[in-house]
Amino acid sequence: IQMTQSPSSLSASVGDRVTITCRASQGISNDLAWYQQKPGKAPKIMLYDVSRLESGVPSRFSGSGSGTEFTLTISSLQPEDFATYYCQHYYTTPLTFGGGTKVEIK
Amino acid sequence: QVRLQESGPGLVKPSATLSLTCSVSDASMNNFYWSWIRQSPGKGLEWIGYFYYTGTTNYNPSLNSRVTLSLDTSKSLFSLRLTSVTAADTAVYFCARGLYSAATGHFYATPGVWGQGILVTVSS
Repeated sequence: IQMTQSPSSLSASVGDRVTITCRASQGISNDLAWYQQKPGKAPKIMLYDVSRLESGVPSRFSGSGSGTEFTLTISSLQPEDFATYYCQHYYTTPLTFGGGTKVEIK
Repeated sequence: QVRLQESGPGLVKPSATLSLTCSVSDASMNNFYWSWIRQSPGKGLEWIGYFYYTGTTNYNPSLNSRVTLSLDTSKSLFSLRLTSVTAADTAVYFCARGLYSAATGHFYATPGVWGQGILVTVSS
């Protein structure tokens, strides 16, 4: 299953609403997670089952979608949110990740 | 708080075998999926495979014939063995424990806790 993210990068300001899209090449039910990765660090899981927030993740992060199209939304971008975000399905093996979306400071 | 730490050689010669170990602290290995994931320099993430605590393994077909994962619960160690490496295997390798959700009561294959990663370079 191929995971395609868009855009590959975006520039935004603190306080902006940001939306990232992830498309699966076939239906993956709700078996989708989002990860945040900062330079030199391991990815950190943010959401799973499309919209469940992992413990400790701020509520400004939200996820939606079903089947093949999904979105990650950051309602009000904070300085610590500048990072690369990856979607990943776990519907079947092999688990696969999207190509990533780099969120940069405008 | 579970902690994972990768260890192994940072440099491996072409055609040799890459062996990495993941030490797991402060957590039981039972009930969880244990994965290795790699990230080539400047590239995206590639799932290598998982070892489920029951002994079930599942490998990425792109590496299937070259990879072996093992789990030693008595020593809290999780290991990766990748044979016949080439420059294309140069990457940061991460070990990870599958997610457990208190909300759903489920154990997921998707990685929930990651090690810090170890850079492995394949070069002569």
